[in-house]
Amino acid sequence: AQKVTQAQTEISVVEKEDVTLDCVYETRDTTYYLFWYKQPPSGELVFLIRRNSFDEQNEISGRYSWNFQKSTSSFNFTITASQVVDSAVYFCALTSGNEKLTFGTGTRLTIIP
Amino acid sequence: EAGVAQSPRYKIIEKRQSVAFWCNPISGHATLYWYQQILGQGPKLLIQFQNNGVVDDSQLPKDRFSAERLKGVDSTLKIQPAKLEDSAVYLCASSLFPSNAEQFFGPGTRLTVL
Repeated sequence: AQKVTQAQTEISVVEKEDVTLDCVYETRDTTYYLFWYKQPPSGELVFLIRRNSFDEQNEISGRYSWNFQKSTSSFNFTITASQVVDSAVYFCALTSGNEKLTFGTGTRLTIIP
Repeated sequence: EAGVAQSPRYKIIEKRQSVAFWCNPISGHATLYWYQQILGQGPKLLIQFQNNGVVDDSQLPKDRFSAERLKGVDSTLKIQPAKLEDSAVYLCASSLFPSNAEQFFGPGTRLTVL
């Protein structure tokens, strides 16, 4: 069985601060895929990134960056210079083998103007 | 490119009533998913279709939930009869490939069962 843990239920930061959302995963498969999705108040999940288990390079996309560390089974997400529009619930998710996509419980991020 | 469409956006019913949700995936996406998202939780897969065939319905409460995807495009999810614990957001998603690919989600249908 696979599992995703997002220990941070809610985070609030002041605008322009950096913030890191944690994600820890469990799987017995050596081949797996990790995802981050954003769910703004409108409710629609927006795909942010997909990373396979063989690619441990960190990725940067504008103000977003992801740190993948297999040694600690973590796939953390950092927003640099946060903006009010970043306020949303963020989900980390995992799929491996024939397993369905498993989501964490999400982290609600509030950016205070 | 049009995204995943869902209707209705909101539905309020009384327990023991029936309800149906509709989903139109992104054009060309053969794989379609229905998720249930209870408040404060992550989405949970109810059923996955590949074209018009069911790939995974292991978490679908088959005594009251049913889903179909006739002609391999649009899909409907039905609940009959509804229970209070069915109150949730029902999300439809689609993807180009059946596994490991990014899924694109619709806006969801918020169901309230009174």
